[in-house]
Amino acid sequence: GAGVSQTPSNKVTEKGKYVELRCDPISGHTALYWYRQSLGQGPEFLIYFQGTGAADDSGLPNDRFFAVRPEGSVSTLKIQRTERGDSAVYLCASQEAGAKNIQYFGAGTRLSVL
Amino acid sequence: QKEVEQDPGPLSVPEGAIVSLNCTYSNSAFQYFMWYRQYSRKGPELLMYTYSSGNKEDGRFTAQVDKSSKYISLFIRDSQPSDSATYLCAMSAGWVGANSKLTFGKGITLSVRP
Repeated sequence: GAGVSQTPSNKVTEKGKYVELRCDPISGHTALYWYRQSLGQGPEFLIYFQGTGAADDSGLPNDRFFAVRPEGSVSTLKIQRTERGDSAVYLCASQEAGAKNIQYFGAGTRLSVL
Repeated sequence: QKEVEQDPGPLSVPEGAIVSLNCTYSNSAFQYFMWYRQYSRKGPELLMYTYSSGNKEDGRFTAQVDKSSKYISLFIRDSQPSDSATYLCAMSAGWVGANSKLTFGKGITLSVRP
């Protein structure tokens, strides 16, 4: 079946612009996670959704970052007033209910802020 | 100091070698331990999953967890060029709710020479 899909695969923007990154989880997966992976580093947790609600947003670096999952499926990560330090690969993962924390990752969106 | 420390790389071995990859951690709440493999420009792919202390074997791969020492390892036997990738250790305190978020090591890049 289809895996986690993230679009766009690459995004180049200018400092100060607004961007949206989309994640389509595996069908039926109730949990959805966003992580950020900087060059040469492991992924770092940003936010976790259980259904439609953000159950844990403790990893969002500041209030320029926001994410939604209005219907409990597709999620959008929104970044306002982008800064060069936001350049990274943004990864989305989904997990089936009761699946003992086995998270399936998408290929990520590579964001470059010029 | 980061919660999860992973041996620095890169690591280059000849085909057929036994590879040992290691991580240490400081958070005693971690109960679930994973190894992910990440190919260039791809998302992390779950390789091994272990709950609490002990060993788990799957083909050429063996994962070990020693919670008393806060130390986990991944062994790869008869390494193949196709094993060339970045290996990430990851762990979580739980498998549901906010405890399910993963904390990753930095990753180590392995190259297996034919």
